[in-house]
Amino acid sequence: EAAVTQSPRSKVAVTGGKVTLSCHQTNNHDYMYWYRQDTGHGLRLIHYSYVADSTEKGDIPDGYKASRPSQENFSLILELASLSQTAVYFCASSAGLGQDTQYFGPGTRLLVL
Amino acid sequence: GDSVTQTEGQVTVSESKSLIINCTYSTTSIAYPNLFWYVRYPGEGLQLLLKVITAGQKGSSRGFEATYNKETTSFHLQKASVQESDSAVYYCALGRSSNTDKVVFGTGTRLQVSP
Repeated sequence: EAAVTQSPRSKVAVTGGKVTLSCHQTNNHDYMYWYRQDTGHGLRLIHYSYVADSTEKGDIPDGYKASRPSQENFSLILELASLSQTAVYFCASSAGLGQDTQYFGPGTRLLVL
Repeated sequence: GDSVTQTEGQVTVSESKSLIINCTYSTTSIAYPNLFWYVRYPGEGLQLLLKVITAGQKGSSRGFEATYNKETTSFHLQKASVQESDSAVYYCALGRSSNTDKVVFGTGTRLQVSP
């Protein structure tokens, strides 16, 4: 069965600190995504990638970097965490971009103080 | 561009009653999109509930149904008799059969089923 795992599952960070969220998939999918979920908003796409060593900006990339060192792994990096980045972050993978089912990880709850 | 609207942020339904969660989409493309319903149970990630890629068709899964209506640009989710275990957040989403367009998600509707 398709599997996407995320670590950590929750994190408390200080303002101005660096945060790295990790995602691992065993689906052999080319596409991977990072979304954030805030109350009152749908999932908003931060970054995505369709091949190792390459990432693309999503709809809200400011304040975030992404890294795809291998097909299986995709990280989201907050170099200088801010209060406004408190949210739940979801990683997902899919075979294609727009038409294929996305498989999601369980989410990471990030609290920036 | 494309957008998806879910008007209800939260819906409360008594167990064994019927459910409708509304979803409408808007698009500037002449091509019909693919439509999805995803569900997120507490503590878990989103998972696909059902998907319809042809206008006029109906999708169904786990007792839920949704019909792709291109005239009203709607894709409402329905269930005849909900169970407490259906309590979750439901997301409507739109995608395209191309590898240049990203999936667009609605804001989600939290369903609370009361015993």
